[in-house]
Amino acid sequence: AQRVTQPEKLLSVFKGAPVELKCNYSYSGSPELFWYVQYSRQRLQLLLRHISRESIKGFTADLNKGETSFHLKKPFAQEEDSAMYYCALLYNFNKFYFGSGTKLNVKP
Amino acid sequence: GAGVSQSPSNKVTEKGKDVELRCDPISGHTALYWYRQRLGQGLEFLIYFQGNSAPDKSGLPSDRFSAERTGESVSTLTIQRTQQEDSAVYLCASSLGTGGSTEAFFGQGTRLTVV
Repeated sequence: AQRVTQPEKLLSVFKGAPVELKCNYSYSGSPELFWYVQYSRQRLQLLLRHISRESIKGFTADLNKGETSFHLKKPFAQEEDSAMYYCALLYNFNKFYFGSGTKLNVKP
Repeated sequence: GAGVSQSPSNKVTEKGKDVELRCDPISGHTALYWYRQRLGQGLEFLIYFQGNSAPDKSGLPSDRFSAERTGESVSTLTIQRTQQEDSAVYLCASSLGTGGSTEAFFGQGTRLTVV
């Protein structure tokens, strides 16, 4: 069963526009969720995790247990935000499941 | 080491040859993952190791693919009789794999080109 779903393969927005990258998960327990980012020619790295409730590079993500979602948002996209974004679920505290990724393209 | 290390960084091989890719996880990390990333595409899960448990091999695309891990250290991914569709970046990740807050750390990947 697919545990993490990212419905959009590609999302294109103009610079300064709001961005929302969608992520839905399937897990009956208490979820621990993450967003990872992969910039061009760099390794995949952690962007943020929901338990930290932090904002990184202007991005935030709120866990909605009712909708089983963990969408990533930024009010004003920048060109340097162009990258591949992955949502991830830590299952039973020991195994990560990654979504298939969304490529964000911020146009000037 | 400071992070997850993969070798080689790049590998060009002829169709039909076998290749072996190596991953050195972060010391103390019991969980290790292999993923495949085709050009411009997302992550494809291949295999997951957790301590001494039987690995989850459900993502291996064919019996030409296999992986081993020695204890909680180095892992090798072997692709036999390589095909052109095997061309991709192969990523390794490791994590603590135990209870409590953790994070998955990725290597820089091995770019495999089958010609």
